Amino acid sequence: GAVVSQHPSRVICKSGTSVKIECRSLDFQATTMFWYRQFPKQSLMLMATSNEGSKATYEQGVEKDKFLINHASLTLSTLTVTSAHPEDSSFYICSALLGETQYFGPGTRLLVL
Amino acid sequence: AQSVTQLGSHVSVSEGALVLLRCNYSSSVPPYLFWYVQYPNQGLQLLLKYTSAATLVKGINGFEAEFKKSETSFHLTKPSAHMSDAAEYFCAVNGYTSGTYTYIFGTGTRLKVLA
Repeated sequence: GAVVSQHPSRVICKSGTSVKIECRSLDFQATTMFWYRQFPKQSLMLMATSNEGSKATYEQGVEKDKFLINHASLTLSTLTVTSAHPEDSSFYICSALLGETQYFGPGTRLLVL
Repeated sequence: AQSVTQLGSHVSVSEGALVLLRCNYSSSVPPYLFWYVQYPNQGLQLLLKYTSAATLVKGINGFEAEFKKSETSFHLTKPSAHMSDAAEYFCAVNGYTSGTYTYIFGTGTRLKVLA
């Protein structure tokens, strides 16, 4: 139980384009989901907290207009990287909250050329 | 405020030897504590968690951790390392901000298992 999926697992795009990443809780409903970014050989950096039916809460320093988050249902949150640039290349991981425990997706590797 | 310290960014053990990964926490409220494992290019997998029940917690893959309030520690152990245990391990403590549980992660410990 408590499985979280992400799609796509890997995406390559051109600079200036937008990329959408989906995060789904497959066997439970999640009012709250989280989006993280992970740089090579580093810990996870929380980008934002996504709450179903309301606006996401962004961490300090994370651009709201660049990283658009939508949590339209209890099983789906999306992260859209708008006008992506090479510095946005990274590993993005989502998690879904069940009780007090976060269950993580497998991650999405984004490469912006 | 909550914080987590993982001592040792890299730990090497021989196959079959004891694994000990250290985690110390700071929390102004009774903490919930978690250990996750991350394999290369993958997400985090929950190994075990402490949520104020038994202080000795058993998890998956033969791992266990003991919550010691007096030492503010939650060290992860496994009696006998296997090659497949080589991965990055993260300790986390919960925070509660604006009505939502969030995590404070440690910086991670990379475990290397030597043949």
